Amino acid sequence: GAVVSQHPSRVICKSGTSVKIECRSLDFQATTMFWYRQFPKQSLMLMATSNEGSKATYEQGVEKDKFLINHASLTLSTLTVTSAHPEDSSFYICSATGVLSDTQYFGPGTRLTVL
Amino acid sequence: GQQLNQSPQSMFIQEGEDVSMNCTSSSIFNTWLWYKQDPGEGPVLLIALYKAGELTSNGRLTAQFGITRKDSFLNISASIPSDVGIYFCAGQDEAGKGGAQKLVFGQGTRLTINP
Repeated sequence: GAVVSQHPSRVICKSGTSVKIECRSLDFQATTMFWYRQFPKQSLMLMATSNEGSKATYEQGVEKDKFLINHASLTLSTLTVTSAHPEDSSFYICSATGVLSDTQYFGPGTRLTVL
Repeated sequence: GQQLNQSPQSMFIQEGEDVSMNCTSSSIFNTWLWYKQDPGEGPVLLIALYKAGELTSNGRLTAQFGITRKDSFLNISASIPSDVGIYFCAGQDEAGKGGAQKLVFGQGTRLTINP
C-alpha cells in the first residue's frame, strides 16, 4: 500500500519551454501532496505544499508563477515548470499523505534537464 | 529555514560492520523519520518515531527518538551490500492550519560498503 507514482521519470526540454510533471497516489486518497527539489549530492528541499482543491502554499524563495501546482483531485497533483531554464535542471520529487496517516510517501522522482 | 545536522556525511565500511548515524536539531520535532534513497529514486521510509525516548527496530535497523525531541539516531547492524545508499533523517512538525505536516531533512549520510 501507499504507492506514489510520478510521470515522466525523465524529461529533457529546451530552454523557454514548459514542462508538466504528474504525481499520483495509486492506492490511497492523498489529502496533501508535497513537491521537493533535489540538486546533485544535496538534500531534499521543500518547494510547496498542496491540499486538494486549494491553492498551493509555496516555501520562501520559490516563485509561484514559475512553478505552477495544481491539486485537482485526491489522487493527482501536477507541477508545471514554466519557461524552464538550465538552472531549473534538477530532480523533482513529490510525496503524499492520506486521510489516515501523516506519514509522507514519496514518488520515484522526475529528472528534468533543460538544455 | 530549519535544517537538521546529520552526521557523518559519508561512511566507508566493510561488509558485516555495524553503522551508526545521527541527527540533531535546534528545534523540537514531534516525529522523527529515517529514509533511504537509492540513486535516481525517491526516498523510502525505513522507520518512523512518534514519542520521545522511543526505540524502534525494523529488521537490522534500529532508531531512537531522543528524549529532548531534538535528536535521533539510526543504527544498522551487520551491513550488507544492499544497504548502500543515502540515508536521510527528517523531522516533522505539528500540522498547520491546512493540515499539512512539513518535513525538514538532514543533509544525508552516504553509505558505501566494501565487500
